[in-house]
Amino acid sequence: GDSVTQMEGPVTLSEEAFLTINCTYTATGYPSLFWYVQYPGEGLQLLLKATKADDKGSNKGFEATYRKETTSFHLEKGSVQVSDSAVYFCALSVLQGGKLIFGQGTELSVKP
Amino acid sequence: GAGVSQSPRYKVAKRGQDVALRCDPISGHVSLFWYQQALGQGPEFLTYFQNEAQLDKSGLPSDRFFAERPEGSVSTLKIQRTQQEDSAVYLCASSLGTGGLSTYEQYFGPGTRLTVT
Repeated sequence: GDSVTQMEGPVTLSEEAFLTINCTYTATGYPSLFWYVQYPGEGLQLLLKATKADDKGSNKGFEATYRKETTSFHLEKGSVQVSDSAVYFCALSVLQGGKLIFGQGTELSVKP
Repeated sequence: GAGVSQSPRYKVAKRGQDVALRCDPISGHVSLFWYQQALGQGPEFLTYFQNEAQLDKSGLPSDRFFAERPEGSVSTLKIQRTQQEDSAVYLCASSLGTGGLSTYEQYFGPGTRLTVT
């Protein structure tokens, strides 16, 4: 069945370090891909998305590129801040507007 | 404007009790989803409504789980005879869902944390 696998956390980085959180997927058809973020005490928020191969989603300095050949959608940021500390979820949707299938989440902690 | 709201935010139930969790989606949003998030895991799909029609309930873990959206706005997730394994955060999300890629973005509520003792 359709699934998402992302790197296990927690990930601990110093401020201004480079971030990569790996995400790979298995899906029938041509899914849309998403990164959601959950800040402490808050609900899930969409961070970025990509709907077709080679699309790059970007927001708040984060980027992820839809790689169909490697079935991946890795999240990157060049210089993290303390305020980026949160749990990040990779997700896919096989049907436009349909249910989301999430990875298990990766906790990021950024130290000053 | 107001986002998705859920109530109660926290619920403690004794094993065997029935519970009802409420979701108020963003006004005008056609699609509504329920997800279950166990501790340390990603959300898992439970069920989906388009207006008042429940189009997909494939994720409901047992016949103890029941969801409704009778007037196409507020939705209630009911769990009968709660078990310890039902302890989780229950998330509701809504989307405009009327056409165009941007209308399919799901907006999540803060969740209801259910603890079954």
